[in-house]
Amino acid sequence: SYELTQPPSVSVSPGQTARITCSGDALPKKYASWYQQKSGQAPLLVIYEDNRRPSGIPERFSGSSSGPMATLTITGAQVEDEADYYCYSPDSSDHLWVFGGGTKLTV
Amino acid sequence: EVQLVESGGVVVPPGGSLRLSCAASGFTFRSYTMHWVRQAPGKGLEWVSLISWDGGSIYYGDSVKGRFTVSRDNSRNSLYLEMKSLRTEDTAFYYCAKGREGITGTIPDHWGQGTLVTVSS
Repeated sequence: SYELTQPPSVSVSPGQTARITCSGDALPKKYASWYQQKSGQAPLLVIYEDNRRPSGIPERFSGSSSGPMATLTITGAQVEDEADYYCYSPDSSDHLWVFGGGTKLTV
Repeated sequence: EVQLVESGGVVVPPGGSLRLSCAASGFTFRSYTMHWVRQAPGKGLEWVSLISWDGGSIYYGDSVKGRFTVSRDNSRNSLYLEMKSLRTEDTAFYYCAKGREGITGTIPDHWGQGTLVTVSS
């Protein structure tokens, strides 16, 4: 089965830049999306197709991808950004979609 | 406003069966791919299944393939998940999610609040 690997935790001070990585064998050819999940809430899509931001998502959220790694960057992280973040992408067959294990961001 | 309301979550014994429902409103349900995603208490997200707008394309995660069946009724704006041969590891909150429009329909962009399925004797 296919796996996406994320670091369990990332910690930054308010105003600093937070970077969360996601690695997977199919990422060189497949887009990654990113979700934010705050405690007790449903997930929220913050980035799709590697670097596109849905309407209403602050500009401090950005995404990039290079080779087998996708990265979510929060420039000037705020206390309200503290949450679990998950990457999401299909395997090479496009018949199986997978979430990464999640990264707890502490601000 | 997009609204997705899941129902049907209960306590069920191992080996049992259950049917979850998701009532959709606030968008043209028949035009969108829909997903089921689950999350065990205190754990990460796990993609379960997707069904295309017309039911012509259906895919499942490896852990549920052969046991779960997704379906939809576009006349009732409803999504369903039939679950059989349930295992304790199927215990989770089950979320219904709407896919983005067009070719990005494989990306969930709106989620319900989830319904809890507990598999226990």
